[in-house]
Amino acid sequence: DAGITQSPRYKITETGRQVTLMCHQTWSHSYMFWYRQDLGHGLRLIYYSAAADITDKGEVPDGYVVSRSKTENFPLTLESATRSQTSVYFCASRLAGGGGDTQYFGPGTRLTVL
Amino acid sequence: DQQVKQNSPSLSVQEGRISILNCDYTNSMFDYFLWYKKYPAEGPTFLISISSIKDKNEDGRFTVFLNKSAKHLSLHIVPSQPGDSAVYFCAATESGGGADGLTFGKGTHLIIQP
Repeated sequence: DAGITQSPRYKITETGRQVTLMCHQTWSHSYMFWYRQDLGHGLRLIYYSAAADITDKGEVPDGYVVSRSKTENFPLTLESATRSQTSVYFCASRLAGGGGDTQYFGPGTRLTVL
Repeated sequence: DQQVKQNSPSLSVQEGRISILNCDYTNSMFDYFLWYKKYPAEGPTFLISISSIKDKNEDGRFTVFLNKSAKHLSLHIVPSQPGDSAVYFCAATESGGGADGLTFGKGTHLIIQP
């Protein structure tokens, strides 16, 4: 049971480049989330999705784009990367309804923007 | 303005003793609280949760206490073991809020000393 996976695990890019971080879950969870973790900030919500083709902004959405054409995938795109987007990115998923609000996290992608 | 606060960046406890990690929140709409444990280079792992209709939830060595009037929760680990050394995040949400994500504290680094 693979659960939730992220790729790549590490990425170095340059300012202005487009970068896409991938997230895939095998649980058929309806809800998926993207967070970033920075020193001094804990984890902050970037975007979330309640189902395929339904997405919404979180606390820090500027500079990011998401899509969800399939339930199992939730890619995060940085259209023009900036140094302030250097961070560790975590994808998470959650069951609809009876699973409560427990979210399960992927292993993370460490992104460095030079 | 931080809605979930973990005021101790780090905590050192001797092996076998009790570890107590604290968390305060300001948003009175929060009604579901979770603790996550995180090792370096891994994603957060769900540990234990509590609904606002309870004041205590226990799972093995881990107990979470909720004081709604004080907007305070704590995680007790008894007895502490070396493998408990990690960063612990407190998180909160409005359980009826649909797809909204979790609001995290900045984390407490727990160090278990032999």
